[in-house]
Amino acid sequence: DQQVKQNSPSLSVQEGRISILNCDYTNSMFDYFLWYKKYPAEGPTFLISISSIKDKNEDGRFTVFLNKSAKHLSLHIVPSQPGDSAVYFCAASASYKLSFGAGTTVTVRA
Amino acid sequence: NAGVTQTPKFQVLKTGQSMTLQCAQDMNHNSMYWYRQDPGMGLRLIYYSASEGTTDKGEVPNGYNVSRLNKREFSLRLESAAPSQTSVYFCASRDRGPSYNEQFFGPGTRLTVL
Repeated sequence: DQQVKQNSPSLSVQEGRISILNCDYTNSMFDYFLWYKKYPAEGPTFLISISSIKDKNEDGRFTVFLNKSAKHLSLHIVPSQPGDSAVYFCAASASYKLSFGAGTTVTVRA
Repeated sequence: NAGVTQTPKFQVLKTGQSMTLQCAQDMNHNSMYWYRQDPGMGLRLIYYSASEGTTDKGEVPNGYNVSRLNKREFSLRLESAAPSQTSVYFCASRDRGPSYNEQFFGPGTRLTVL
């Protein structure tokens, strides 16, 4: 049973606009949430994370929001740039292990 | 620093053949992981090693074995490959401690089993 879900397989956004990626989870024991970015033929790279005791974390153009009561997190990218076109994975951490969502493919249109 | 390296990058096997995927990290990390990525499934954990000398099953361990050779190296073995094991395999490593939950990934091995 998948504990982390990304229900939107793809997202297309115009350059300069906001990209919003969503993620839902079921396990209340997750204590850390991470977003990874993946380009074709490369391994995932860490983008941003948030502790379960916070509700927002910001790093430049990237902001992650956590709503623990709804078991929901989102990643906002503002403004979106062509280099942001990639697959984004939501991941949740419990102890040593990460559980990943299926990923959302973001395409930024010029 | 090379980070996490994986060999080979590509491999084609016939059903029933065996092979070992190699992974090494130069970041002095304690924990290492093997994942597989399949379309629409995200990354699924096969096996992990929380520290040198220990290994544990992940979500999808059937058909695989692992060896934590030393702190740097963690190998994944397919004893008798099956077409269902066609996938992209990623190795990852992580430092100790709850504040270091970030895992660092290698570039992947694309495996096809015919």
